[in-house]
Amino acid sequence: DAGITQSPRHKVTETGTPVTLRCHQTENHRYMYWYRQDPGHGLRLIHYSYGVKDTDKGEVSDGYSVSRSKTEDFLLTLESATSSQTSVYFCAISGTATYNEQFFGPGTRLTVL
Amino acid sequence: AQSVTQLDSQVPVFEEAPVELRCNYSSSVSVYLFWYVQYPNQGLQLLLKYLSGSTLVKGINGFEAEFNKSQTSFHLRKPSVHISDTAEYFCAVSERGGGNKLTFGTGTQLKVEL
Repeated sequence: DAGITQSPRHKVTETGTPVTLRCHQTENHRYMYWYRQDPGHGLRLIHYSYGVKDTDKGEVSDGYSVSRSKTEDFLLTLESATSSQTSVYFCAISGTATYNEQFFGPGTRLTVL
Repeated sequence: AQSVTQLDSQVPVFEEAPVELRCNYSSSVSVYLFWYVQYPNQGLQLLLKYLSGSTLVKGINGFEAEFNKSQTSFHLRKPSVHISDTAEYFCAVSERGGGNKLTFGTGTQLKVEL
């Protein structure tokens, strides 16, 4: 299994509070991704990173920001959480852009009350 | 932009029966295609991938898929399913030369019954 961990694994928070989710990898892969998974929508890309301090928006980036200060860590921040951001969040990594095979972390279940 | 359609949200099947999970994609360029499996309360695991070459791709756990360019399909098959195959299956596409983004379908829940 690819060495990917996510923290926390579960979180309950209130509307309007900031939340940061962490993805940590031990594979030294260049590319990292954040997805959200919702019933009926599959997985949708929030943001991704193609190197340290290099990030770009995905399909559903509104309300989210990311940072990557070192290869192994990719942080996802909800500046002011809303109930619509209740979801399961997955981090993924990829060593190459050419074939784009991605390896997924275990997920973080976030509930915004 | 690329897109993926998984036509069946749920597929019930009896153990030891064959199964086919359907996936169609749309893209203006050549693509790479993937099937992932998600067991309850877990992350996604790669089942198989089509990059180039033979259109019949074999993956883990006895699954295989066939790339059909004319029909823009990548259906997943298994000749005899087991209870342990109960999971959600996602088809995904990535455009060649399009960088590093996967687009996923909405998933098919496979439920294997005794």
